[in-house]
Amino acid sequence: LAKTTQPISMDSYEGQEVNITCSHNNIATNDYITWYQQFPSQGPRFIIQGYKTKVTNEVASLFIPADRKSSTLSLPRVSLSDTAVYYCLVLGKGGYNKLIFGAGTRLAVHP
Amino acid sequence: DVKVTQSSRYLVKRTGEKVFLECVQDMDHENMFWYRQDPGLGLRLIYFSYDVKMKEKGDIPEGYSVSREKKERFSLILESASTNQTSMYLCASSRGGQPQHFGDGTRLSIL
Repeated sequence: LAKTTQPISMDSYEGQEVNITCSHNNIATNDYITWYQQFPSQGPRFIIQGYKTKVTNEVASLFIPADRKSSTLSLPRVSLSDTAVYYCLVLGKGGYNKLIFGAGTRLAVHP
Repeated sequence: DVKVTQSSRYLVKRTGEKVFLECVQDMDHENMFWYRQDPGLGLRLIYFSYDVKMKEKGDIPEGYSVSREKKERFSLILESASTNQTSMYLCASSRGGQPQHFGDGTRLSIL
């Protein structure tokens, strides 16, 4: 499993765009980049997954450069309810995956 | 929307008791997983199942067993609960290599 590195914590203010970058230098050819969000006392929630270039859904965008050694989760116009821990994972597409969650990035959104 | 339901949000048991944690998913997923999450240790896989009556050990199976008699239900069993099994337990399900969807967790305290 490719190891990922992301900042331990970030601070932002309501209405701002937040970008969380994750590095995954040894990503394999068939690996996908997946982001989860977790609130206190709740299970992780899948946010977005991508393979290359850009993926956008109703919650976030994911930017992946051509070399795929890093990725950036972009949260537009955050609100207080976006305060959570965000995890970046690199997963193979076939079969089933054993998820390894690192420490994640603790995002605090301030009024 | 995928729904993974864990039978209890909070549970308090005594040392030596046999404890059952239940998980049900409604999306006909073939894969189901049990994790525990502890501060500083992240998410660790206990057991997973890729089909009815099939099970595979994860990273920390000692002291646990599982049962999957029906596709939608995956049970985690603590054979003889101990205080070091106090933790947040998370169930997840997935189809193939698709992202895993988690329940809200069971916070288990062993006294």
